[in-house]
Amino acid sequence: EVQLVQSRAEVKKPGESLKISCKASGYIFTNYWIGWVRQMPGKDLEWMGIIFPGDSDTRYSPSFQGQVTISADKSINTAYLQWSGLKASDTAMYYCTRLEGSRNYVGAFDIWGQGTMVTVSS
Amino acid sequence: DIVMTQSPDSLAVSLGERATINCKSSQSVLYSSNNKNYLAWYQQKPGQPPKLLIYWASTRESGVPDRFSGSGSGTDFTLTISSPQAEDVAVYYCQQYFSNPFTFGPGTKVDIK
Repeated sequence: EVQLVQSRAEVKKPGESLKISCKASGYIFTNYWIGWVRQMPGKDLEWMGIIFPGDSDTRYSPSFQGQVTISADKSINTAYLQWSGLKASDTAMYYCTRLEGSRNYVGAFDIWGQGTMVTVSS
Repeated sequence: DIVMTQSPDSLAVSLGERATINCKSSQSVLYSSNNKNYLAWYQQKPGQPPKLLIYWASTRESGVPDRFSGSGSGTDFTLTISSPQAEDVAVYYCQQYFSNPFTFGPGTKVDIK
């Protein structure tokens, strides 16, 4: 079964760092782009960026460039989303998702993780 | 950025009554070299991640009931639920994956009367 399993919910203080994970199984991890999507409480979906684990090519939404870092470790089929200094406004549900397609073109987001809730509060 | 808009914001339909959701992009998402519209529809139920329903504007994802259908091209798209069931209560989002950033519409909430 193709699935993405995300790390557990986190509660952090402003200024702290955080790295959440997304472990893929059931398909060849290095053949598909993986993306991250933010959903703030009661709000819409926002695409943050994508990474191609085969060669670590990474693309960010301009809204998130410089705010987060997306990475992947192909030896353990896991993608990551990290912050170096969290803010209260980072409080949200974060989903990882697999993109249909291939290295040379992206498709729709066909597989989604269960989400990781990040709460940032003093 | 390509801005996605949806209408209506919400709708309530009777069981079996057709539901239609519209999505408009600020620029065309039709790629001329392959004649594909880079437009997808997702369903999100409370407490769950989104689920892909339709991609390339009109191709139904495997396992999605055939009461869901997508149409349109260029900048104007429609998701139709031909005979809504109780389990279709959800928020529906359109998304373009034509260009970075891959923007989503604001969502349409569907309820059953």
